[in-house]
Amino acid sequence: GENVEQHPSTLSVQEGDSAVIKCTYSDSASNYFPWYKQELGKGPQLIIDIRSNVGEKKDQRIAVTLNKTAKHFSLHITETQPEDSAVYFCAADSYGQNFVFGPGTRLSVLP
Amino acid sequence: DTGVSQNPRHKITKRGQNVTFRCDPISEHNRLYWYRQTLGQGPEFLTYFQNEAQLEKSRLLSDRFSAERPKGSFSTLEIQRTEQGDSAMYLCASASRSNTEAFFGQGTRLTVV
Repeated sequence: GENVEQHPSTLSVQEGDSAVIKCTYSDSASNYFPWYKQELGKGPQLIIDIRSNVGEKKDQRIAVTLNKTAKHFSLHITETQPEDSAVYFCAADSYGQNFVFGPGTRLSVLP
Repeated sequence: DTGVSQNPRHKITKRGQNVTFRCDPISEHNRLYWYRQTLGQGPEFLTYFQNEAQLEKSRLLSDRFSAERPKGSFSTLEIQRTEQGDSAMYLCASASRSNTEAFFGQGTRLTVV
């Protein structure tokens, strides 16, 4: 089955700096890769996603890149703000039936 | 609010009791997922429904767990004879027929004492 790894597990950046979180997956059949942000006590919130026919996608300060050959994808957050502090999860899915999540990255944006 | 709704938000139960959680997906979303999340971990897949059909179940879903979606709308997750190891956040997500994007509810936090 699919296995998703995620690094780093914790990340601290200064406000205004960029943050990068990297994930790898094992199943070459996976073709959909969402990223979720989770704040304490809340459910995961979808922030951006990418499909396997696209190499990069951007939405304001966040972007995701995908390298299908290497089976890795990354989340980039630019001009970080304190409200970006949260736990971020990557996930991989092949048939829309079973999203496999990474273990999460706790991002702290220091003012 | 037209998001995924889960009830109750919190549940404390004694070991050995049965509990049932409810999930109301986004209107017209035909796909529904249940996940479990323990502290410091990512969500773990439990089961998946397409309309009323339960199409996939994780090995994590032991015989004490059962999920239903009788009319293809809301879903229930029941845990029988709860154990302390069942303490976790139970998350529900839904997705539409035409889109892979899955949206999560706020979860039900279960504490077994």
